[in-house]
This record gives sequence, structure tokens and C-alpha cells, in this order.
Amino acid sequence: AQSVSQHNHHVILSEAASLELGCNYSYGGTVNLFWYVQYPGQHLQLLLKYFSGDPLVKGIKGFEAEFIKSKFSFNLRKPSVQWSDTAEYFCAVDFGGAGKSTFGDGTTLTVKP
Amino acid sequence: GAGVSQSPSNKVTEKGKDVELRCDPISGHTALYWYRQSLGQGLEFLIYFQGNSAPDKSGLPSDRFSAERTGGSVSTLTIQRTQQEDSAVYLCASSYRTGGTYGYTFGSGTRLTVV
Repeated sequence: AQSVSQHNHHVILSEAASLELGCNYSYGGTVNLFWYVQYPGQHLQLLLKYFSGDPLVKGIKGFEAEFIKSKFSFNLRKPSVQWSDTAEYFCAVDFGGAGKSTFGDGTTLTVKP
Repeated sequence: GAGVSQSPSNKVTEKGKDVELRCDPISGHTALYWYRQSLGQGLEFLIYFQGNSAPDKSGLPSDRFSAERTGGSVSTLTIQRTQQEDSAVYLCASSYRTGGTYGYTFGSGTRLTVV
């Protein structure tokens, strides 16, 4: 069955630490990939997306993600986190151009000042 | 409008009552989605409207759930005979063409509590 897995449920970092959040999916065909972020008290918003071309995608606020097809992964990275990055992060996948996304369970990131 | 608007923002209802949740998408967005998010869990797909095509209802959990989209714009999600397990945040999203390619713009959600 098609599924999306986010390995870490809760990550705690200090400011300036590097971040990598894992996302893996189960599907052998074409995918479109997304990361969404939900800051405290705010609604979900799109952070970055991949659907073709360069597998290294840059998004807002210094985030980037790399699509590694052989590993069925789309990990989110940021070289130096800030307190304001405290939020919940969701990976989402559109399997085979279905037009709708399947979401992972989310990772809560807490950045300590 | 400037964003996706959902109403009400909070709804408390008694078990067995019917509820209607409303979503007003971004003007010009042809695709509209409903998801729900239960406490501590990810987003569960419910239904997807794309233009004039028949909706994708594959995520609706039971026949108590239904949704319609009038005039290609406003959508209403109806839950009949509500149960406690229906308590969740119901999220609406819209997208230019398809969210699977362009990504979603989400509303702020309706928090439904069934008592």
C-alpha cells in the first residue's frame, strides 16, 4: 500500500544546530513531493515542493530538501535552525499524479533558544 | 478571497446531531480538498473536487459523511448523526489546478467536538 513515513515524531534542537527530518514513501512510480509547516497557532503552509528537475529543492526560510529516488526519500534540511522554526512539519506525497496528497504523521520540532 | 476561509472555527455538538462545515476556497482555484486531523495524528484525506469532474470520495470514512461543491466554489462537508470519534480538526485546502502538482493552500480549520 502507498504510505508516507516520518521517522521522528519529536525533535529537540538548540539554536544554530543543523536539522534533518526524514521522510520516506512506499511507491515505485512517479511522485510529487511536498513539505508543509504549521507554526504554533497558524494554519498549514507549503514549505517546498518537488515534481521534476533538480532533486535538490530550496524553499522558504532557508529550508531545502533532497529527493533520492533510489532511497524513496525526501528529507528536509536546514543548516542552522532558529527558535522561530519551532513548528510541526509534515511530509506529503502525490502518488502517480493522483492529484491528491498522502501525508505523514508529522514531526514536531522544538528549538531551544 | 485572499485565503481559504472556513467556518465555523469551532463547533461543539451533541452526539447524534448533524453538522455542516463550510469552506470558501481561493478564487480561481479549481481543486478543493477536505482532510481531517485527529489529535496527534497526520492528515487523513476525505474528498477531492476538481472542476466539473466527479469528486474523489475514496477517503470518506462512512456514509454519514458527504460533501458538495456548488458552482465550482464554496463547499460544504456534512456529517450526519455525529459520533465521538468524529471529533477532529477538519481542514479545507484549495489549489490551482491540482494540489498534487502545485501544493495546497489550507484554511485554518474547523475544530469539531462531539460530546
